[in-house]
Amino acid sequence: AAGVIQSPRHLIKEKRETATLKCYPIPRHDTVYWYQQGPGQDPQFLISFYEKMQSDKGSIPDRFSAQQFSDYHSELNMSSLELGDSALYFCASSLRGTAYEQYFGPGTRLTVT
Amino acid sequence: GEDVEQSLFLSVREGDSSVINCTYTDSSSTYLYWYKQEPGAGLQLLTYIFSNMDMKQDQRLTVLLNKKDKHLSLRIADTQTGDSAIYFCAESIRTGRRALTFGSGTRLQVQP
Repeated sequence: AAGVIQSPRHLIKEKRETATLKCYPIPRHDTVYWYQQGPGQDPQFLISFYEKMQSDKGSIPDRFSAQQFSDYHSELNMSSLELGDSALYFCASSLRGTAYEQYFGPGTRLTVT
Repeated sequence: GEDVEQSLFLSVREGDSSVINCTYTDSSSTYLYWYKQEPGAGLQLLTYIFSNMDMKQDQRLTVLLNKKDKHLSLRIADTQTGDSAIYFCAESIRTGRRALTFGSGTRLQVQP
C-alpha cells in the first residue's frame, strides 16, 4: 500500500539559511499534518491543512510557513534557520472521514550547523 | 508532552507479555492511540481506541482504557525482539482536524 512520502530524507543547512520540506500524502487523503520531533523528545504538532486551507495551528514559529497544493501535497518552508530547528520533521496524512487515522511519513531529518 | 505521561523505560524477556502505561489529562479526548517508532524511523500507527470503548484487541495487541482514571495501556503478548522500539501514546483532543498530542514515549527493550 502507498505510504506518505517525504523529501528530502536528510537535509543539512547552515544558520540563517532557508529550507523547504515536501510531503506527498497517501493517495485520496485530503488532510496533511506537520510535526516536529527534537532529539529524544515526543513529536510536537506544528500545523495542518485540509483541502488546501490551514485547518489547525500548533507551536509553529513565525519563521516557518506551510501550504497545501491542489494535488494535496504540502510544503513546509523554514527561514532564518536556527540551531534549535535541528529535528526530525514528520508529515502525516488522513482522510477527512477517518481523521482519527493519521499515517506518518518516514520524516525529514534537518540538521542546522 | 505534559498532558500525556508515560514511563520512560520497560525491559522484558522474549516471550513474556509487555504492558506499557499512559495517563492523559484532557477528558475531552476522543481517540487515543499507540504509535511505534524504531530507531531512525517514522511513526507506525499500531492501534487506536475510541473513548467510548473499554478494550480493543488486535492480534498480539490489547488496549485497555479506563476513562474514569484517564489511563490507557497497551499489552503486547508474546513479546519478540522485533518489538524493541519506542512506543508513544497519543490523544486527539480537538474537534475538526484532530492534531495529536503525544506522550514522551516508552522505550521497550526485549531481552533474548
